[in-house]
Amino acid sequence: DAGVTQSPTHLIKTRGQQVTLRCSPKSGHDTVSWYQQALGQGPQFIFQYYEEEERQRGNFPDRFSGHQFPNYSSELNVNALLLGDSALYLCASSLYRGGADTEAFFGQGTRLTVV
Amino acid sequence: DAKTTQPPSMDCAEGRAANLPCNHSTISGNEYVYWYRQIHSQGPQYIIHGLKNNETNEMASLIITEDRKSSTLILPHATLRDTAVYYCIVRPYNTDKLIFGTGTRLQVFP
Repeated sequence: DAGVTQSPTHLIKTRGQQVTLRCSPKSGHDTVSWYQQALGQGPQFIFQYYEEEERQRGNFPDRFSGHQFPNYSSELNVNALLLGDSALYLCASSLYRGGADTEAFFGQGTRLTVV
Repeated sequence: DAKTTQPPSMDCAEGRAANLPCNHSTISGNEYVYWYRQIHSQGPQYIIHGLKNNETNEMASLIITEDRKSSTLILPHATLRDTAVYYCIVRPYNTDKLIFGTGTRLQVFP
């Protein structure tokens, strides 16, 4: 059983460009969350997708957007890249239980470097 | 959202129990305590979670005080592979959002 898979593993972009990161959730999971982890910091919640809709959002600008597909996979898009967007981007999947306890499983992340 | 406080770093000898404390004095009655760990440059790994009762699984034990204002993660026999940053997280009942702090960097030495 494959866990959460993310692609690509590493990416270098130029300031001002746009980037798309991809995530396939763990088998049986229907909810995908995205996190940004800057160097030396804990992961910060960006947003969560369930039933192809954004269900929750953290304190991130509109340059960060996402999408969830019918097969539960997800994309994170970042427009107009800034140097400060350089970070490890993590995807986590879980099974929605309406707020009850659940376990989120993380992928290995995509390391984005903006130059 | 309830905030957690953890020591920035701890050391533990290989084979000994590692006891990682976490303070969450503002936790609400229906908020869960979760523990994750992150080995360098990898994604966070789920360890254990609990609400009120102590919990144990194949990785660790979670001890939650009766007033729920603090908890301790116990790794019964630490190995070098347990060296990682350990995050204590309080998760609100109505959301799957995890709010990470800066965690405790556990160093297991031979």
